Amino acid sequence: EIVLTQSPGTLSLSPGERATLSCRASQRVGNSYLAWIQQNPGQAPRLLIYGASSRATGIPDRFSGSGSGTDFTLTISRLEPEDFAVYYCQQYAGSPWTFGQGTKVEIK
Amino acid sequence: QVQLQESGPGLVKPSETLSLTCTVSGDFISYYYWSWIRQPAGKGLEWIGRIYTSGSTNYNPSLESRVTMSVDTSKNQFSLKLNSVTAADTAVYYCARTAGYSGSLNYFDYWGQGTLVTVSS
Repeated sequence: EIVLTQSPGTLSLSPGERATLSCRASQRVGNSYLAWIQQNPGQAPRLLIYGASSRATGIPDRFSGSGSGTDFTLTISRLEPEDFAVYYCQQYAGSPWTFGQGTKVEIK
Repeated sequence: QVQLQESGPGLVKPSETLSLTCTVSGDFISYYYWSWIRQPAGKGLEWIGRIYTSGSTNYNPSLESRVTMSVDTSKNQFSLKLNSVTAADTAVYYCARTAGYSGSLNYFDYWGQGTLVTVSS
């Protein structure tokens, strides 16, 4: 099983600032089969990024993903009020599919 | 727009069976994998398993001995049964669609809102 470790646990930033979230895998994530998911309280989780760097349909270009192998990054270039949420990375390179423990982006 | 809606009892007694259904609207259920994922309060997400519309399944080894999934293409629904539940199974349960059949599409592109299931006597 691939274990994903996200850092930091919480990121305190102001609107307009840049957010950089990290996801490290316990073993190589083949073909960069890594996704990023946003979760707001009471809402359905939303796919942001798949294939480590491809934005899902309708996702603004302030969200970008990068990385390969065992180290991946989600960057939000300028935080909007609706971006304050919890973000999870998830690998789909091998079963069982696994998630990181999440990074909470909160308003400073 | 694809929409998923979970339904089922919100309270289940210990040792009994948790049963949930996910109804899909906005697209046919065929030709996709459909998953169940859960999230205990204040914790992260755990993939439970998935089913293809042919009935083929893959389960998380951590839950495999207690999980059964099924699909009803005529109703555009799929279901989860988890038996011998304990308090540790208390969680929000989500259903989700996998974007496609091939490995490169095994990410979850649509999710339901989730339903809270509490295991308590």
